[in-house]
Amino acid sequence: DTGVSQNPRHKITKRGQNVTFRCDPISEHNRLYWYRQTLGQGPEFLTYFQNEAQLEKSRLLSDRFSAERPKGSFSTLEIQRTEQGDSAMYLCASSLGGTAREQYFGPGTRLTVT
Amino acid sequence: GENVEQHPSTLSVQEGDSAVIKCTYSDSASNYFPWYKQELGKRPQLIIDIRSNVGEKKDQRIAVTLNKTAKHFSLHITETQPEDSAVYFCAAGGSGGSNYKLTFGKGTLLTVNP
Repeated sequence: DTGVSQNPRHKITKRGQNVTFRCDPISEHNRLYWYRQTLGQGPEFLTYFQNEAQLEKSRLLSDRFSAERPKGSFSTLEIQRTEQGDSAMYLCASSLGGTAREQYFGPGTRLTVT
Repeated sequence: GENVEQHPSTLSVQEGDSAVIKCTYSDSASNYFPWYKQELGKRPQLIIDIRSNVGEKKDQRIAVTLNKTAKHFSLHITETQPEDSAVYFCAAGGSGGSNYKLTFGKGTLLTVNP
């Protein structure tokens, strides 16, 4: 499968615990995005990387959230001290770069905070 | 920031009929408008997109129209089939310095009845 992949697909954690998600973009794509999707809503932008540089962060991304893309390939999204309101689907997308605008999504990581 | 409104929230049609979903956006600097289809439990899938220098784009049974003056764009699906049943999201991107993030509408649940 040469599409965007995400791991794990599901994560159940207790409130207060830290969690980390991984996204592997399409291999030649240099732009990578994180979005969050809750039930009945469209994806909401969280942050965006071009190669290893994090170029924008949404106000939705509180201090408990951090994202990295250390070598410009895969990315991780960490949530510290999880809260019940963090329960959502976390989606990763990638795009080629240059003038290409098409974003291709991964299957998402569904987080449930109990 | 950009705001995207999408209507209707649900749409039920008979197989073979046409379906139209409409979106409006607020930021006149937005210049890229993709549409995504999301089946239950699956990733959003890009089905068609349009850029602001084009008024209409077609791909087989799917077409998208854009009215920059009125800041609205629409998805048209002709000869609907049961497999078209899904949630459809419109999005807008390319506003100002945030050239690549997408702002999504809340989605339209399309049901095609056999």
